Amino acid sequence: GENVEQHPSTLSVQEGDSAVIKCTYSDSASNYFPWYKQELGKRPQLIIDIRSNVGEKKDQRIAVTLNKTAKHFSLHITETQPEDSAVYFCAASLTGTASKLTFGTGTRLQVTL
Amino acid sequence: GAVVSQHPSWVICKSGTSVKIECRSLDFQATTMFWYRQFPKQSLMLMATSNEGSKATYEQGVEKDKFLINHASLTLSTLTVTSAHPEDSSFYICSARAAGGGLGETQYFGPGTRLLVL
Repeated sequence: GENVEQHPSTLSVQEGDSAVIKCTYSDSASNYFPWYKQELGKRPQLIIDIRSNVGEKKDQRIAVTLNKTAKHFSLHITETQPEDSAVYFCAASLTGTASKLTFGTGTRLQVTL
Repeated sequence: GAVVSQHPSWVICKSGTSVKIECRSLDFQATTMFWYRQFPKQSLMLMATSNEGSKATYEQGVEKDKFLINHASLTLSTLTVTSAHPEDSSFYICSARAAGGGLGETQYFGPGTRLLVL
């Protein structure tokens, strides 16, 4: 089955700096890669996703890049703000009705003033 | 749109009792719902995949007789933890995936149920 590794496990940046979180996946057939943000005690919220027919996707301060050959994808947050502090999870899956997400281990991002 | 609710949000029970958790998609039809368990400071671990009108598919190591899943309609799935024990204490989260259309492949998560077994 799919295996997703995520690094780093913790990340501390100063407000205004950029943050980068990296994930690798094992199954070359995976073609859907969402990123979720989870605040303490709350539900995971989808913040951005990318499909394998696209190499990069951007939404305001958030961007995701995908390298299918190397089987890795990254989340980039620019101009970080204190409210970006949370745990971020990457995930990978196939598309289709039988698909299920395999999550990375999570990255705890702390944005300091 | 794409709101998923879960009930209850908190439950404390005695060891040996059964607990039922409901997961509802409020504004869309979900052909597939997923049940996850999350321990403190850990990732989401998929327990089972639930398809409307059919038996759930359980992940390896998850006891189907202990974690009963029913997906009776396109908007409701239930997870029953039978004969709960302290080691079952965890944060249980469901997610729902829409039956096609504009919502695509996205899984929308419920707010979670925190279970404490004494």
